[in-house]
Amino acid sequence: AQKVTQAQTEISVVEKEDVTLDCVYETRDTTYYLFWYKQPPSGELVFLIRRNSFDEQNEISGRYSWNFQKSTSSFNFTITASQVVDSAVYFCAPPGCYSSASKIIFGSGTRLSIRP
Amino acid sequence: NAGVTQTPKFRILKIGQSMTLQCTQDMNHNYMYWYRQDPGMGLKLIYYSVGAGITDKGEVPNGYNVSRSTTEDFPLRLELAAPSQTSVYFCASSYGTGGTDTQYFGPGTRLTVL
Repeated sequence: AQKVTQAQTEISVVEKEDVTLDCVYETRDTTYYLFWYKQPPSGELVFLIRRNSFDEQNEISGRYSWNFQKSTSSFNFTITASQVVDSAVYFCAPPGCYSSASKIIFGSGTRLSIRP
Repeated sequence: NAGVTQTPKFRILKIGQSMTLQCTQDMNHNYMYWYRQDPGMGLKLIYYSVGAGITDKGEVPNGYNVSRSTTEDFPLRLELAAPSQTSVYFCASSYGTGGTDTQYFGPGTRLTVL
């Protein structure tokens, strides 16, 4: 079964610190996709990134970066120079593939608090 | 594009009442989903649909029903509301399966059952 583990339930750092959110996944598929979503205090869910398992290059978008390592089944998310606006719950979605069922089961996420 | 819209935004129900949560998307997505999120918890899949006329159960379908008569609409019906159904309900859609394509979420409906 497709599964993801976000071992860090809550993280609290001071503004401007770098912070890494861990995501370890399980899958038997050789081709799959991974996602990160963000849920700020306002409650909406926002897509952050989609990554194909073929592409193991790190992704950088401004202060956000993602480190995908197939060898360790990890897809970690780093925020550099964190800001208060980064405070949110972050969800790493389990790997999905075209041949698997349409439904994906989200984990509980990591609650990130950035203190001023 | 409005994306995914949900109505109502808030609702208070009495135990035993019924209601329908509306969800509409204007992106011509094939897949649609209903999730619930209890306070401080993650998302749990209630039902999903892979296209008009086709629906299937998720993790927590008991107490809910869905229908998908059009591509755009995916209403969620609560029959005989119970306090355990107090939650925030999110509708989402994706062009392809949510395992491979980005899901776009609605703003949510906050439901309280008293």
